[in-house]
Amino acid sequence: GENVEQHPSTLSVQEGDSAVIKCTYSDSASNYFPWYKQELGKRPQLIIDIRSNVGEKKDQRIAVTLNKTAKHFSLHITETQPEDSAVYFCAALRPTGNQFYFGTGTSLTVIP
Amino acid sequence: EPEVTQTPSHQVTQMGQEVILRCVPISNHLYFYWYRQILGQKVEFLVSFYNNEISEKSEIFDDQFSVERPDGSNFTLKIRSTKLEDSAMYFCASSSGTPRRDTQYFGPGTRLTVL
Repeated sequence: GENVEQHPSTLSVQEGDSAVIKCTYSDSASNYFPWYKQELGKRPQLIIDIRSNVGEKKDQRIAVTLNKTAKHFSLHITETQPEDSAVYFCAALRPTGNQFYFGTGTSLTVIP
Repeated sequence: EPEVTQTPSHQVTQMGQEVILRCVPISNHLYFYWYRQILGQKVEFLVSFYNNEISEKSEIFDDQFSVERPDGSNFTLKIRSTKLEDSAMYFCASSSGTPRRDTQYFGPGTRLTVL
């Protein structure tokens, strides 16, 4: 099966700095990689995703990069704000089936 | 904006008891999912459901688990005889199409505590 590793488990940054969270996956056939944000006490919400046919995707302050050769993908948040504080989960989806494989989550704290 | 809802928000039960966790997916969605998250661990896929049948399940989803769509709106997860290790947050999710095509929307979760 697929195995997704996520680092770091906790991350603290000063407001305005950038934050980077990395995930690696084991199954080279995986082809869809979403990122979810979960604020305390709230539901996970999709913030950005990337498919294996592109190397980078950007949405305002959030970007995701994918390196298929190395089997890793990263979430980049620029100009961080206190409201970015949350737990972020990466996930991978194999080409067959509907089963997402999640990382262990990164707790991001943005210090004002 | 439509949301997935789940009830109850917190369920406490005795070991060996049956529990039913309830979810109301977004109304025009066709794919439904259950996930669980043991405290401090990964979110884990349990099962996906489409066209009134299970389309995929993980190895966690053994004979103690079952899912049902008893009417046009509810989607339930039943655990027949709960064990201590079933204590976790259970998330329901739904999507209009397959997950590689359409976003999965998560519910707020039900925290299950087995004593």
